[in-house]
Amino acid sequence: EPEVTQTPSHQVTQMGQEVILRCVPISNHLYFYWYRQILGQKVEFLVSFYNNEISEKSEIFDDQFSVERPDGSNFTLKIRSTKLEDSAMYFCASSEGYSSNYGYTFGSGTRLTVV
Amino acid sequence: GIQVEQSPPDLILQEGANSTLRCNFSDSVNNLQWFHQNPWGQLINLFYIPSGTKQNGRLSATTVATERYSLLYISSSQTTDSGVYFCAVGYTGTASKLTFGTGTRLQVTL
Repeated sequence: EPEVTQTPSHQVTQMGQEVILRCVPISNHLYFYWYRQILGQKVEFLVSFYNNEISEKSEIFDDQFSVERPDGSNFTLKIRSTKLEDSAMYFCASSEGYSSNYGYTFGSGTRLTVV
Repeated sequence: GIQVEQSPPDLILQEGANSTLRCNFSDSVNNLQWFHQNPWGQLINLFYIPSGTKQNGRLSATTVATERYSLLYISSSQTTDSGVYFCAVGYTGTASKLTFGTGTRLQVTL
């Protein structure tokens, strides 16, 4: 079964550093998403991306965050100047079509720890 | 925004027991998914079920969209079923995001 692949699985970074989380969505999917889950809490939407632009973002997704599809296969989340409260599990997801009518496939997540 | 409530918040079962997890949502939805988060943190998609009933092995799910709830049934539970079960919904108002519930934490003991 096709998978969404995320790298790295774990990342530790110092406060103030920039990190890039990487995702390879399923090849025929057109919609891409990032979610995060702070330890012990529920999963929260960050951003959705379609046709090389952001289609929706949450209030969490401020100027510190950016997304990019640098080539035909990768989808990245960049966090500039990380803060302690950015420590969380970050999930990438993709869907074949307009997301309210299609199921999402999630990646295994990247656990980010900011120290 | 839409509210998604799950019950019970915690559940402890002996291996072999059956259980029903519930998800209530506050608005009309056109996307509903159930996920299992395993102890390693991975989110495993169980069902895409905006309406109707589906079965996959020991798991089945039913969504009654008109009454705004969904049920996940686990039969003959196994220790590998342990983890957190999330319901997530998408609705017409914001097409591209899923709103997750707070989850049901399931522990299956020997």
